[in-house]
Amino acid sequence: DAGITQSPRHKVTETGTPVTLRCHQTENHRYMYWYRQDPGHGLRLIHYSYGVKDTDKGEVSDGYSVSRSKTEDFLLTLESATSSQTSVYFCAISATGVEQYFGPGTRLTVT
Amino acid sequence: AQTVTQSQPEMSVQEAETVTLSCTYDTSESNYYLFWYKQPPSRQMILVIRQEAYKQQNATENRFSVNFQKAAKSFSLKISDSQLGDTAMYFCAFIDTGNQFYFGTGTSLTVIP
Repeated sequence: DAGITQSPRHKVTETGTPVTLRCHQTENHRYMYWYRQDPGHGLRLIHYSYGVKDTDKGEVSDGYSVSRSKTEDFLLTLESATSSQTSVYFCAISATGVEQYFGPGTRLTVT
Repeated sequence: AQTVTQSQPEMSVQEAETVTLSCTYDTSESNYYLFWYKQPPSRQMILVIRQEAYKQQNATENRFSVNFQKAAKSFSLKISDSQLGDTAMYFCAFIDTGNQFYFGTGTSLTVIP
């Protein structure tokens, strides 16, 4: 299995508070991704990174920001959490930008 | 925009039987990749099989095989000799030269003992 961890694995937070999710990899892969998974929508891309400090927006990027200061870490920040951001968040990594390997997911609940 | 459609929200199959999951996609690209991912109750996303669009030969991985019809933009997954551990959500996914993955909404497969 690819070495990907996500933290925290579960989080409950209140509307309006900032939240940061962390993805950490030990594979030295160039590409990293953040997705959210919601019933009826499958997985949707939020942001992705193609190198340190190189990031781009995905399909559902509004309300989210990312940072990648090291190859191994990719952070997803919700500046002011809303109930619509309640979801399961997955990080993925890829060496080539083709095959992706996923982390275990983070369940975020915004009350 | 790229789209991936899985028209079967739920399916079931008897243990040891064969089942086929459907997927269609829409793209104007000629070079792309297609994948099937499995998500068991543990929630972990597991890569099952991949297909390069430029390859005419259908990919096979043990009991899993695909039927790739490029002209029809169809990419179905066949699971042979179904096992209880195959019970999961299955997602079809597509990636083109833009490096963005597009996922279908998934098919929930239940293998019945």
